[in-house]
Amino acid sequence: EAGVAQSPRYKIIEKRQSVAFWCNPISGHATLYWYQQILGQGPKLLIQFQNNGVVDDSQLPKDRFSAERLKGVDSTLKIQPAKLEDSAVYLCASSLLVSTDTQYFGPGTRLTVL
Amino acid sequence: KQEVTQIPAALSVPEGENLVLNCSFTDSAIYNLQWFRQDPGKGLTSLLLIQSSQREQTSGRLNASLDKSSGRSTLYIAASQPGDSATYLCAVISSGGSNYKLTFGKGTLLTMNP
Repeated sequence: EAGVAQSPRYKIIEKRQSVAFWCNPISGHATLYWYQQILGQGPKLLIQFQNNGVVDDSQLPKDRFSAERLKGVDSTLKIQPAKLEDSAVYLCASSLLVSTDTQYFGPGTRLTVL
Repeated sequence: KQEVTQIPAALSVPEGENLVLNCSFTDSAIYNLQWFRQDPGKGLTSLLLIQSSQREQTSGRLNASLDKSSGRSTLYIAASQPGDSATYLCAVISSGGSNYKLTFGKGTLLTMNP
């Protein structure tokens, strides 16, 4: 069974630029999550989708971050414009049905904002 | 608001020793608790999941216990090996309003000494 795929693995941009990350969850998983992990911290949930609907985006900085999950499969997370404090690893995870199911994580995208 | 604390932040032990990692959480109304492993530059791998009604779970050399009433969990690693070097993250699933959320601790960085 293929795991959660993410791309790119690494990205370096300058502040005020925009960037997008892509995630392909495990086939058949209805729920998809984006987490932000700052160095030395645990992952923090940014947004959760169930199929193509948003379940929770309470910690997403909506003035600069956006995410979509068209057709309920792949998802894209965008930052525009980026700030220095956005430097982090962005992890995508998926679970079969609901958030109480085991979550499977992708390898993450390491973003550096200069 | 659920908060998860892990002690110690870092641990260095000789190979072959048994060791214990600690996790505490502030809100005992959890659905389940998970221990994850994170290797440098990689995503999270689920090690053990304990349902709120359970006291412990075992997988190979790993044993996780849960004392929900006191808000504590421990991860016991028996006969540690060089390949056990990684960051170990504790996370709890608890209700965040209309949704269940995974809240992580900051992790314990485990380094094995030859």
